[in-house]
Amino acid sequence: AQSVTQPDIHITVSEGASLELRCNYSYGATPYLFWYVQSPGQGLQLLLKYFSGDTLVQGIKGFEAEFKRSQSSFNLRKPSVHWSDAAEYFCAVHNNAGNMLTFGGGTRLMVKP
Amino acid sequence: ETGVTQSPTHLIKTRGQQVTLRCSSQSGHNTVSWYQQALGQGPQFIFQYYREEENGRGNFPPRFSGLQFPNYSSELNVNALELDDSALYLCASSNTGSGYQETQYFGPGTRLLVL
Repeated sequence: AQSVTQPDIHITVSEGASLELRCNYSYGATPYLFWYVQSPGQGLQLLLKYFSGDTLVQGIKGFEAEFKRSQSSFNLRKPSVHWSDAAEYFCAVHNNAGNMLTFGGGTRLMVKP
Repeated sequence: ETGVTQSPTHLIKTRGQQVTLRCSSQSGHNTVSWYQQALGQGPQFIFQYYREEENGRGNFPPRFSGLQFPNYSSELNVNALELDDSALYLCASSNTGSGYQETQYFGPGTRLLVL
């Protein structure tokens, strides 16, 4: 069975600083990987996804993520964080049948002015 | 293009009651998935509906059931509510084709409180 681990429960960065959120997955085949963002009391918004091909994927709001098979990682990055980026971020992987997303526990990002 | 919508937005029930949550899929999507998100946790897969049939189920008891209608909208029913059922219930829609499933897009959720 697949699993996703987000090692950092909380991260605080200063506005304008760079950001990296970690995601490690366990999956037997080539994974389909996703990052979603959730603002307080809201649903999930898709930031970006990796299915195949180029291991560096670009998403919305200036985010990017890099798939590293050797490290079973799919870390999310942003070069300069804005106060509006404060939210909870979830990494997820699709199962073989593609009908189920398995999510990590999430990382709550706080942005200092 | 209309996104995924869910109703109601909030709901309060008492233990033992039954509840029905509704979801309308995004235009062009034929598949609906339901997730439960407890406070402070990531979403957990409940089940998925495709062609009006259950197409996969997570580790949830039978008192969680669902329906999909010909217009691809869906309902989640929970019987005999327990306190632990208090959570945000998220619906996601996607498109299933021959041998593939596309990205799941989420609605805003229904927050259920069981007292």
